[in-house]
Amino acid sequence: QMQLVESGGGLVKPGGSLRLSCAASGFTFSGYYMSWIRQAPERGLEWLSYISNSGTTIYYADSVKGRFTVSRDNAKNSLYLQMNSLRAEDTAVYYCARGQYSNNPWGQGTLVTVSS
Amino acid sequence: QSALTQPASVSGSPGQSITISCTGTSSDVGGYKYVSWYQQHPGKAPKLMTYDVSNRPSGVSNRFSGSKSGNTASLTISGLQAEDEADYYCSSYTSSSTRVFGGGTKLTVL
Repeated sequence: QMQLVESGGGLVKPGGSLRLSCAASGFTFSGYYMSWIRQAPERGLEWLSYISNSGTTIYYADSVKGRFTVSRDNAKNSLYLQMNSLRAEDTAVYYCARGQYSNNPWGQGTLVTVSS
Repeated sequence: QSALTQPASVSGSPGQSITISCTGTSSDVGGYKYVSWYQQHPGKAPKLMTYDVSNRPSGVSNRFSGSKSGNTASLTISGLQAEDEADYYCSSYTSSSTRVFGGGTKLTVL
């Protein structure tokens, strides 16, 4: 069955960096756009970015543009989110999800906490 | 990009039907067929319920249906069941080639 598993979350100080990974299985990863979406504690969903199946097309939300970078390695069936210059307001559960216009399935999420 | 507008909460009794609205603009909901709805139970990842306005993924009950009129999309749940109690989010593609989510609606089954 299709599965996405995020990893790399944790506690980081403001201004720090973190790299999240998302391992895909159960479908042809190289054939799909992939997305990153986050959810701050007790808040709603916020779309962050999507990347084309080839990795040549990437779009970001204004809130993370210039600080976050999405990439993928189709040979490893993996999606990545490099997060720099982290702020307290970046504290959230980060989800990877398959798709560009809609998302199915989603991973279980990984928690990123930005705090001194 | 401003979030799409959803009611904070809706409620209904078992067996009833409810509708959750999602209002955007001509630059998102009104301009594209790429509206999707997600169900999220506490502590769980979101689950896709409808996509491309009115399509249902395999395995999703036909009690869930999506529609759109102008700049407002809607999710209707018929024959309400206890397990439908959850948060629901709409999402749309935008004219900036980005995506936007609604603020979420908490559904309570009385």
